[in-house]
Amino acid sequence: TQLLEQSPQFLSIQEGENLTVYCNSSSVFSSLQWYRQEPGEGPVLLVTVVTGGEVKKLKRLTFQFGDARKDSSLHITAAQPGDTGLYLCAGVPQGDMRFGAGTRLTVKP
Amino acid sequence: DAGVIQSPRHEVTEMGQEVTLRCKPISGHDYLFWYRQTMMRGLELLIYFNNNVPIDDSGMPEDRFSAKMPNASFSTLKIQPSEPRDSAVYFCASRGRVLETQYFGPGTRLLVL
Repeated sequence: TQLLEQSPQFLSIQEGENLTVYCNSSSVFSSLQWYRQEPGEGPVLLVTVVTGGEVKKLKRLTFQFGDARKDSSLHITAAQPGDTGLYLCAGVPQGDMRFGAGTRLTVKP
Repeated sequence: DAGVIQSPRHEVTEMGQEVTLRCKPISGHDYLFWYRQTMMRGLELLIYFNNNVPIDDSGMPEDRFSAKMPNASFSTLKIQPSEPRDSAVYFCASRGRVLETQYFGPGTRLLVL
């Protein structure tokens, strides 16, 4: 069982559509991070959320940290083919960082 | 800065052979991490170092795996003997302080036949 459960596992949409992916846990996190990984490369950090209820925006991406600091969501508005990739959430429950299994997003032109 | 450097980028070997993966972290970073990524298990933390000292190796699969960090600019992950189930992409990452960004290398794609 993953400490961080991500859903959906796979998502295929058309360019221009909106989408939301989720990262859930029964554990409380001091912070959560979202990464995007493209084929053949390592994950790249998109954002870190620290405060419960926090909302951060990065252009068309909106990240939210749950009030109880156990979950997070990533919403993409008007998805583009360049958004295609594996989206990973990661958190530090105790000790050091653990990753979810990821959501593999494909945006078709 | 060149970022985290890993070598080799690809490795194909036969079962039973020794495999050594190498990593050069970003200069000035105190933490270094080794991860393994597979489709089945996702991204798994194997071990991490702080100031060249191994802090948590609970993710290392078994005694066949070992990692060293002889100095602040170099680390190795060794598998001996290798098995087909070790086939995966192995990532090295480094970061400065606890909540700072973790930077990943490009990974080493290992195939054990």
